[in-house]
Amino acid sequence: RKEVEQDPGPFNVPEGATVAFNCTYSNSASQSFFWYRQDCRKEPKLLMSVYSSGNEDGRFTAQLNRASQYISLLIRDSKLSDSATYLCVVPGAGSYQLTFGKGTKLSVIP
Amino acid sequence: DTEVTQTPKHLVMGMTNKKSLKCEQHMGHRAMYWYKQKAKKPPELMFVYSYEKLSINESVPSRFSPECPNSSLLNLHLHALQPEDSALYLCASSQLANNEQFFGPGTRLTVL
Repeated sequence: RKEVEQDPGPFNVPEGATVAFNCTYSNSASQSFFWYRQDCRKEPKLLMSVYSSGNEDGRFTAQLNRASQYISLLIRDSKLSDSATYLCVVPGAGSYQLTFGKGTKLSVIP
Repeated sequence: DTEVTQTPKHLVMGMTNKKSLKCEQHMGHRAMYWYKQKAKKPPELMFVYSYEKLSINESVPSRFSPECPNSSLLNLHLHALQPEDSALYLCASSQLANNEQFFGPGTRLTVL
């Protein structure tokens, strides 16, 4: 299994739709997980941190399944402004290292 | 203040030039990072500083030379770069207790 694996997409969804991304990881010792969003030609911005089974922030819900080693991100009521690439990020083998997935591209269509 | 700043925003340099990228954070973070990102790829870690000491160097060519003058500043000195080094160079910082990294806006580097 690759260290961090994501479906690259693209996901093209209409406004108002619910969309879910999955991410699998190989390091079973990882304790914390992150979702970042990255707009075209911009820096990654931290969207959510996940330290236990999940986290919710408004329209965004992240869930962690340690047994199956996957993390999911659910976006409800999609907005045009949600269009971005979503990066699944898992701590790597060394201290302070993060392993980035290749990202999932989301386009929300009017 | 949850901001990481980077200068310059854009840089065009020839293969014989020497230039430096600068990064600053005032969040009291004790870990700082340099990443390189090519188009449509995730960021690739280059260097990690913790407590102003280089702790990780991901086999980066010596034409990239990092420097951490103090806990708020991080520089990346560039010399004799190649056109394939053209990329977005991102600085990030984090606390040591967790690994939530906050990124600066990046420097878009073009090597001619």
